[in-house]
Amino acid sequence: DIVMTQSPLSLPVTLGQPASISCRSSQGLEYSDGDTYLNWFQQRPGQSPRRLIYKVSNRDSGVPDRFSGSGSGTDFTLKISRVEAEDVGIYYCMQGTYWPYSFGQGTKLEIK
Amino acid sequence: EVQLVESGGGLVQPGRSLRLSCSASGFTFGAYAMSWVRQAPGKGLEWVGFIRAKAYGGTTEYAASVKGRFTISRDDSKSIAYLQMNSLKSEDTAVYYCRAEGAGDYWGQGILVTVSS
Repeated sequence: DIVMTQSPLSLPVTLGQPASISCRSSQGLEYSDGDTYLNWFQQRPGQSPRRLIYKVSNRDSGVPDRFSGSGSGTDFTLKISRVEAEDVGIYYCMQGTYWPYSFGQGTKLEIK
Repeated sequence: EVQLVESGGGLVQPGRSLRLSCSASGFTFGAYAMSWVRQAPGKGLEWVGFIRAKAYGGTTEYAASVKGRFTISRDDSKSIAYLQMNSLKSEDTAVYYCRAEGAGDYWGQGILVTVSS
């Protein structure tokens, strides 16, 4: 099974400052169709998860453009260009290339 | 407006069964893969399993922790996905989310299942 490892697990950020979360997979995530099924989810306190990014770098509809995803192979990054108060929550990377799909442990973003 | 609404959760004794339903509206249900993801209290997200859209065979996949005990099914005529949970264990206690993945990505509000005597 593929293990997804996120860092850091806790991320205190000052409002307006950038933030970056790393996600590493135990093996490459490129599927035979050429796509890499690496997603990022946000879970605000008390809410359901919401997908922000799919296939490494594609933003979902309604996701602010301050969120961006990048990476390839086994190393991926979610960046927030300027953190806002509504960004508080837990962020999960998730691989959907190989079953069983797997989530990272989650990174808790808080305002400093 | 897209909606996914889970129902059927609650308190159940170890070894007993429970069936969760996920009622969908606002999108073409039959074109979406339907998943169940759970979250134990204070913990992260864990895949339970999913069922592909009929166009992709309607087949299912399950996490090792639930394989042989849980069954996912769908009724496209009613836009409902089901999670049949048998032989429940205390470690199955969690909030269960249904998720629809296709042209969009949608999640229900989650429903709590507590397995305890």
